[in-house]
Amino acid sequence: GAVVSQHPSRVICKSGTSVKIECRSLDFQATTMFWYRQFPKQSLMLMATSNEGSKATYEQGVEKDKFLINHASLTLSTLTVTSAHPEDSSFYICSARLGLAGDTQYFGPGTRLTVL
Amino acid sequence: SQELEQSPQSLIVQEGKNLTINCTSSKTLYGLYWYKQKYGEGLIFLMMLQKGGEEKSHEKITAKLDEKKQQSSLHITASQPSHAGIYLCGGRAGNMLTFGGGTRLMVKP
Repeated sequence: GAVVSQHPSRVICKSGTSVKIECRSLDFQATTMFWYRQFPKQSLMLMATSNEGSKATYEQGVEKDKFLINHASLTLSTLTVTSAHPEDSSFYICSARLGLAGDTQYFGPGTRLTVL
Repeated sequence: SQELEQSPQSLIVQEGKNLTINCTSSKTLYGLYWYKQKYGEGLIFLMMLQKGGEEKSHEKITAKLDEKKQQSSLHITASQPSHAGIYLCGGRAGNMLTFGGGTRLMVKP
């Protein structure tokens, strides 16, 4: 089946620093990748939709300048949390869609970010 | 936006018992997905339903989508401790997948 990886799985950083999270589709090409955020005991919240070769589409309330998304190739999307603060601590999950809208999304294992 | 409501929010069952989790949409669903998650980990894809009245089964888990495609249920037969986790339903509207609030399932041995 389709496999999506994320790196790193866990990261701890100091307040004010930037952190980059990678999302890779290992055995398929993903024209569209999605970034989600999950708070404790809550469901996933879509942050942005990332399309290869174009700008990401951000959901309402998500700061574009704070959460930079780059989808440079059909197998890689990156999320950079800039000038991280403790309130950015969360579990970030990416997903990749195999093909057209309606195809199943395959999820990465997630990245736990802790900002001290 | 598409609202998905899941019920119950949490569930504790005795091992061997059957259980059902419901997912209701305020709009017609064009694709309904069920995922399982252990908190803090990634999602495991369980099943996808697209047609009204569709029903799919995998091992002891059965998912159904009603004819109006606004309600789905996930039924687990003879639950086991390995079934414990968070179950999320996801509904597709165009490009986006939105999730229900999740159901936290605990299975007591």
